[in-house]
Amino acid sequence: GAGVSQTPSNKVTEKGKYVELRCDPISGHTALYWYRQSLGQGPEFLIYFQGTGAADDSGLPNDRFFAVRPEGSVSTLKIQRTERGDSAVYLCASSLPSGANVLTFGAGSRLTVL
Amino acid sequence: AQSVAQPEDQVNVAEGNPLTVKCTYSVSGNPYLFWYVQYPNRGLQFLLKYITGDNLVKGSYGFEAEFNKSQTSFHLKKPSALVSDSALYFCAVITGTASKLTFGTGTRLQVTL
Repeated sequence: GAGVSQTPSNKVTEKGKYVELRCDPISGHTALYWYRQSLGQGPEFLIYFQGTGAADDSGLPNDRFFAVRPEGSVSTLKIQRTERGDSAVYLCASSLPSGANVLTFGAGSRLTVL
Repeated sequence: AQSVAQPEDQVNVAEGNPLTVKCTYSVSGNPYLFWYVQYPNRGLQFLLKYITGDNLVKGSYGFEAEFNKSQTSFHLKKPSALVSDSALYFCAVITGTASKLTFGTGTRLQVTL
């Protein structure tokens, strides 16, 4: 597609529920990133995929967070047993193989956990 | 480890005046430096980057930034600010061996008439 698409744009859920956030990257971009942006903060790295594999998942805060990219294109960020502290905007970005290449970001998925 | 500092939460400037948004970085190795801008309810948009070569890089919308290795800085500048430049600006850094871009906390630019 023309840009990075993220769905849903807004998600309100209750504490303890399971949530999935989807990212559709730019066609041909092999690198895909998930970031989390809390109010008043900069984007915080969560996980990076090169193709189908997670090349760096060091930013995932705990084992409630998991992400997949089974066919090397669309990625899903999964959050189990959501907590109020998970409320944030989750940003997805894609690029040509990482390093000096520019990341193109989606508009984000705003998650609110009540 | 790599990190970025943006010492100003907000910068206020009158339209037509020059603007500077400050950024300093800390890395092991040679840095690749980026500026992104975020408008309300929009994704981050790339403005410019420094990889190597000329220390002064020019980007979108008339913005430019100067890489200063001795001061480990990469300040964003524009000679004449516009009201439409009002947004949140993020500096970011990566090294050639790293896999992730590290962002600063952002600086809100407010341009008034």
